[in-house]
Amino acid sequence: GQQLNQSPQSMFIQEGEDVSMNCTSSSIFNTWLWYKQDPGEGPVLLIALYKAGELTSNGRLTAQFGITRKDSFLNISASIPSDVGIYFCAGLYSGTYKYIFGTGTRLKVLA
Amino acid sequence: ETGVTQTPRHLVMGMTNKKSLKCEQHLGHNAMYWYKQSAKKPLELMFVYNFKEQTENNSVPSRFSPECPNSSHLFLHLHTLQPEDSALYLCASSQERRGLAAYNEQFFGPGTRLTVL
Repeated sequence: GQQLNQSPQSMFIQEGEDVSMNCTSSSIFNTWLWYKQDPGEGPVLLIALYKAGELTSNGRLTAQFGITRKDSFLNISASIPSDVGIYFCAGLYSGTYKYIFGTGTRLKVLA
Repeated sequence: ETGVTQTPRHLVMGMTNKKSLKCEQHLGHNAMYWYKQSAKKPLELMFVYNFKEQTENNSVPSRFSPECPNSSHLFLHLHTLQPEDSALYLCASSQERRGLAAYNEQFFGPGTRLTVL
């Protein structure tokens, strides 16, 4: 079945540092979503991307829809302790409503 | 966004029990989903309901039985579960716009942490 490769699997960073993570696929997607999940909670939608090359920001978060439509990137600038959590990407095939989810990037921020 | 609620938040049950999970969305959406989240695995889609009709059953064992009485409510009925069914069960909803699948962002509830003994 279709898989999304998300990397890195985990990151330990210092407060104030920038963070980058990405998702890659062997297939083309029409939509990319990025979610954050806190322990014991459901994923919260951070950013949605709909066009190849699109760059969208949400506060300190910036995500990009790769030109090839097979990848997406999420950057967090000037990380703070509350950025801790698991970040998921999700891709949507053309003509479907079934999202494929990445395995997540676990982020830990050291104060 | 907390427009999707789930109850209970935690559930412990024996393998012979029957229980139900409930999901309610307050977003006016017309599609609802059940996902299973196990440790170190991607989210697994279980069921999809679109306009109250089941449109997807992702090879889910029959011990899981969904019910969607209306566009705002979704249930997952559980019976004779196995210990490997222990996981976080997440409900999500979206506004399906036929022909515009690219805009169907999914919003999740907080999940039900299920433990099967």
